[in-house]
Amino acid sequence: SYELTQPPSVSVSPGQTTSISCSGDKLGERSACWYQQRPGQSPVLVLYQDKKRPSGISERFSGSNSGDTATLTISETQAVDGATYFCQAWDNGVAVFGTGTNVTVL
Amino acid sequence: EVRLVQSGAEVKKPGESLRISCQSSGYTLATYYINWLRQMPGKGLEWMGRIDPSDSYISYSPSFQGHVAISADNSINTAYLQWGSLKASDTAMYYCATETGGDPIYGLDVWGQGTTVTVSS
Repeated sequence: SYELTQPPSVSVSPGQTTSISCSGDKLGERSACWYQQRPGQSPVLVLYQDKKRPSGISERFSGSNSGDTATLTISETQAVDGATYFCQAWDNGVAVFGTGTNVTVL
Repeated sequence: EVRLVQSGAEVKKPGESLRISCQSSGYTLATYYINWLRQMPGKGLEWMGRIDPSDSYISYSPSFQGHVAISADNSINTAYLQWGSLKASDTAMYYCATETGGDPIYGLDVWGQGTTVTVSS
């Protein structure tokens, strides 16, 4: 089965930029989404089609996808960005989620 | 406003049956697919399956095929996730989510608030 791997955690200082990777076989040939999940809340879609932002999502969120790796970048990180982020792609009609990355804003 | 409203928390015993629900608000359920996802305590998101309420076409993840059933009742704009015999390992938060973009590549952009299911003897 298809797998997506993310680093378990990243730390970032307020105002700095951080990137989260998502690795999967030929992931660049698929369309990737990213979700933000704050503790105790439902996930929120922050990027779709690799780099497009839904209405209401901050411009500080950007993305790319090439080769085997999709990347979510958060610029000018704020305390409210502290959350777990999941990447997601479709494989043969099955939605596959990444292992999740906990972003800590120190 | 497009919303999904899920049923309340459940506490069940192993072997019991259960059906949880997800009602659309602000739109007709038949318009978009409904997906069901599981999140076990402290773990990540797992996609269980989805239904096209307009024709009841259902697809399941191989990991959940045969253990759960997904259905929908368009007359009351409600989708369901059902178990015939619960196990302790079914203890989790369950979310429904939809893709108002009309295609999976646009992502799951509307989520329910989640339903906590606890299975314990």
